[in-house]
Amino acid sequence: EVQLVESGGGLIQPGGSLRLSCAASGFSFSSHAAHWVRQVPGKGLEWVSHISPSGSVTHYADSVKGRFTISRDNAQNSVSLQMNSLRAEDTAIYYCARENWGWGDYFDCWGQGTLVTVSS
Amino acid sequence: EIVMTQSPATLSVSPGERVTLSCRASQSFSSNLAWYQQQPGQAPRLLMYGASTRATGIPARFSGSGSGTDFTLTISSLQSEDFAVYYCQQYSNWPRTFGQGTKVEIK
Repeated sequence: EVQLVESGGGLIQPGGSLRLSCAASGFSFSSHAAHWVRQVPGKGLEWVSHISPSGSVTHYADSVKGRFTISRDNAQNSVSLQMNSLRAEDTAIYYCARENWGWGDYFDCWGQGTLVTVSS
Repeated sequence: EIVMTQSPATLSVSPGERVTLSCRASQSFSSNLAWYQQQPGQAPRLLMYGASTRATGIPARFSGSGSGTDFTLTISSLQSEDFAVYYCQQYSNWPRTFGQGTKVEIK
């Protein structure tokens, strides 16, 4: 079964740091790009970051550029999101998503999400 | 950045009705558009990609169309499990962007 499981969310003070992880199983992880997408509870989806299958190419939303870093460990079948200088507006559910392999870079599998709350 | 605008924000419909959701892009691109369905408390699920191709396991009552700047998701006969929020997303340009969502609720 294809599965993505996020972890690492929690309550953190403004200015703090948090590292999210996403564990993948049931497929050839190293063949797929990965993304993080976030959602303020009750609101819409916001794309956050992308990493290529090898990890050599990354992209970020302007709202997190310079503060968040995406990385992956293909030997451990995991992708991470290091979040620094956190702000109240970073409060959201963070989803890990797998990018389709082959033609079309859509998100064909999502994790269940992990909630990050930035508050003093 | 390509801004995706969905309409309407909310659609109140009865089971069995035909539903059409709209997604408009601020600039033209080919067919690199996906639709996702999100049930309350759940992660989004891929419905359509390439604007008109159903994802694995998606019933035939769902169909998609469009290219350029105007895209449509149609549900031919709404079932109880289809009441949810639907998002369009372009994967043509960086940053990837989503529409704000259309909530399909029971009338």
